[in-house]
Amino acid sequence: EVHLEESGGGLVQPGGSLRLSCAASGFTFSSSDLHWVRQVTGKGLEWVSAIGSGYDTYYSDSVKGRFTISRDNPKNSLFLQMSSLRAEDTAMYYCTREAKVTGDWKDPFDIWGQGTMVTVSS
Amino acid sequence: EIVLTQSPGTLSLSPGERATLSCRASQSVTSNYLAWYQQKFGQAPRLLIYGASTRAAGIPDRFSGSGSGTDFTLTISRLEPEDFAVYYCQQYGSSLPWTFGPGTKVEIK
Repeated sequence: EVHLEESGGGLVQPGGSLRLSCAASGFTFSSSDLHWVRQVTGKGLEWVSAIGSGYDTYYSDSVKGRFTISRDNPKNSLFLQMSSLRAEDTAMYYCTREAKVTGDWKDPFDIWGQGTMVTVSS
Repeated sequence: EIVLTQSPGTLSLSPGERATLSCRASQSVTSNYLAWYQQKFGQAPRLLIYGASTRAAGIPDRFSGSGSGTDFTLTISRLEPEDFAVYYCQQYGSSLPWTFGPGTKVEIK
């Protein structure tokens, strides 16, 4: 069964750091393009960051310079290192896989984890 | 950045009725790289439609997508009780960043 499971969320003070993890199973992780998407409680979805099978990375303007996405293929794991956290980073963070229909970053997100909650507050 | 606008914000319907949801893009979506997702309370989003009109695996045929360029529609032909949820459109593959619409809530009337 294809599965993504996030962990690492929690309460952190403004200016602090947190590392999110996403464990994958049931598919060929190393050849998959992966994303982080976040959602403020009661609000819509916001794309955060992406990493390709070739380790190319992309970031939204709101997190560029503060967040770093990475992957460990032998461990089938995706990470999001978050630093200089702000109150507006408070959200549920989902890891998600880009489907393999067209390739070259031209596919929808077909598998989602259940999310891990990040709360930035003093 | 491609901005997506969804309407209406909330749709109040009864089971068995037809639901028509709209998604409009601020610029043309390349090759109709437009997806629809369903999100139920407390759950992760689920892919319904991609390429504007192709149903994802396991999605019932009461869900259909249409449109091109800047105007797209998700239609649920006959609402089932499990269809009451929030629906998001997303553009992918057109230009960075990937963007989502604000969502349409389909609620029971």
